[in-house]
Amino acid sequence: AQKVTQAQTEISVVEKEDVTLDCVYETRDTTYYLFWYKQPPSGELVFLIRRNSFDEQNEISGRYSWNFQKSTSSFNFTITASQVVDSAVYFCALKVANDYKLSFGAGTTVTVRA
Amino acid sequence: DTAVSQTPKYLVTQMGNDKSIKCEQNLGHDTMYWYKQDSKKFLKIMFSYNNKELIINETVPNRFSPKSPDKAHLNLHINSLELGDSAVYFCASSQVDRLSLPNEQFFGPGTRLTVL
Repeated sequence: AQKVTQAQTEISVVEKEDVTLDCVYETRDTTYYLFWYKQPPSGELVFLIRRNSFDEQNEISGRYSWNFQKSTSSFNFTITASQVVDSAVYFCALKVANDYKLSFGAGTTVTVRA
Repeated sequence: DTAVSQTPKYLVTQMGNDKSIKCEQNLGHDTMYWYKQDSKKFLKIMFSYNNKELIINETVPNRFSPKSPDKAHLNLHINSLELGDSAVYFCASSQVDRLSLPNEQFFGPGTRLTVL
């Protein structure tokens, strides 16, 4: 069975601070996919990134960066110089090969104060 | 253009009623899903269809019945609604690639169901 743990329930920062969201996953499969989704206050779920288990390269996209470490089964997400528009619930999710479903973590609510 | 759309966006109904939520995707994907998000924001898969065939059916009461008339549509019908069914229901779609590996899922805007 797959499991995703987002230990941080809520994080509150002041604008321009960096914020790192932790994600730890469990699976016995050797081929799997990790995802991050953003759910802003408006409620929709926005896909941010997908990372394959065989690709441990970190990725940067603007103010967003992701650190994938198989040794610690973690896929952490950092927002640099946070802005009020980053306020949202962020979900980490896991999918294994040959299984269609996404297993989501419980989500981390990020509040960025002006 | 909306990629994954759901109707209605809000649904308020009485206990015991039957209701349907419709989902359509114009991405050309072959796999569609229904997820339930509870009041604590926890997201859980309910059903999935691949090319109109049911491939995931999690432990969901049989009052919930998905129907996929074609690859672009996946509707969710709920009979005898109960208070505990109040939640946000998300439809999603994805495409299985040439290696039979499902790619990222794109979600609809959600339907907030309130059962009184």
